Amino acid sequence: DTGVSQNPRHKITKRGQNVTFRCDPISEHNRLYWYRQTLGQGPEFLTYFQNEAQLEKSRLLSDRFSAERPKGSFSTLEIQRTEQGDSAMYLCASSPGTGGAWGYTFGSGTRLTVV
Amino acid sequence: QQQVKQSPQSLIVQKGGISIINCAYENTAFDYFPWYQQFPGKGPALLIAIRPDVSEKKEGRFTISFNKSAKQFSLHIMDSQPGDSATYFCAASKWNSGNTPLVFGKGTRLSVIA
Repeated sequence: DTGVSQNPRHKITKRGQNVTFRCDPISEHNRLYWYRQTLGQGPEFLTYFQNEAQLEKSRLLSDRFSAERPKGSFSTLEIQRTEQGDSAMYLCASSPGTGGAWGYTFGSGTRLTVV
Repeated sequence: QQQVKQSPQSLIVQKGGISIINCAYENTAFDYFPWYQQFPGKGPALLIAIRPDVSEKKEGRFTISFNKSAKQFSLHIMDSQPGDSATYFCAASKWNSGNTPLVFGKGTRLSVIA
């Protein structure tokens, strides 16, 4: 296992379409996080899972966004009815759940462009 | 409101010089302060981190200085190299509250010139 894997790396979609991103965490990590990063900004927290349970959602996560982590393995983030303001890099990270963010590993992200 | 404020926004340093990036936080419940390095097209990578029970932590050329009373912490990169050119983010979280999500600063774009 070489790290956190995110697919696709890039996605261009038309406004109003739905998109889904996938994150495969490090296999022994039970916590999985989604962040959004816009140009020139730091990552902003969206939501996180402890195994399959979604423990916290940010106010940034509007009702058009939904995340799942079935069976506590990979996770998907879906955006419905995309808007131009959704254009950003979507980052996934995983951690062992202990030791704070010491084991916090980010993927390379999915860059979404809404046209 | 911005919980972690980072400065400067960009920094140009000569090769061999010292790069200094500063961060200030507001929430006194934060008790874990990592620094991340990000190259274009990549996710952030953990560089070094500190808990508030120490005032300084050093790993190789990278040092974090922490001032709990001032609610400030800084990253020093000694003997800066062109390969250090990247965007650096400070962050904070509540370790004792069970590994809460990280709150990031807005980042500092560092350019090390020969």
